[in-house]
Amino acid sequence: KAGVTQTPRYLIKTRGQQVTLSCSPISGHRSVSWYQQTPGQGLQFLFEYFSETQRNKGNFPGRFSGRQFSNSRSEMNVSTLELGDSALYLCASSSVGPNTGELFFGEGSRLTVL
Amino acid sequence: AQKITQTQPGMFVQEKEAVTLDCTYDTSDPSYGLFWYKQPSSGEMIFLIYQGSYDQQNATEGRYSLNFQKARKSANLVISASQLGDSAMYFCAMSSPSYNTDKLIFGTGTRLQVFP
Repeated sequence: KAGVTQTPRYLIKTRGQQVTLSCSPISGHRSVSWYQQTPGQGLQFLFEYFSETQRNKGNFPGRFSGRQFSNSRSEMNVSTLELGDSALYLCASSSVGPNTGELFFGEGSRLTVL
Repeated sequence: AQKITQTQPGMFVQEKEAVTLDCTYDTSDPSYGLFWYKQPSSGEMIFLIYQGSYDQQNATEGRYSLNFQKARKSANLVISASQLGDSAMYFCAMSSPSYNTDKLIFGTGTRLQVFP
């Protein structure tokens, strides 16, 4: 069974640009959530999608957005990039929710903003 | 508010010894889940072990066990027979159904270094 796949793994952008990150969940998983990891703030929840609907959103500005497609794949977009957006962006998927213990992460997309 | 606390920024352990990584949590929800993840330098978050708040027995997964003390709100990870490959960051995390979501609250992590 394939794991959670995130693309691209590494990318470099400049301030003001936008970026789109992709996440393919484990087959059969309908929930996809996104996290930002930085040395200063640690791991912070961005948002979660379930059956193409955003179910919860973290405390991030509107420049951060996401969506989920009918095949459960998800994308997140960051517009007007700032230096502070440099981070590891992690995607996780689950089938029926975290309280079954099924919440698995991908390898992450490491974004550097210059 | 929910919170996860990991008070050990770094830990050292000799190969083949056991090590305990501390985690305390705070929540008012009666139902919650506790996770431990390992993050090597590559960045991937590797699931290690899960404990549900209503689980009667401590979770075990191979060399990993979770010492769950509900009254003390602690969920310490015990790694037995440490291996050099265990060197990594370890994160404790909590979920809660009150959010009706897969949102996890993470601790700040503990860097474990295993030496020969």
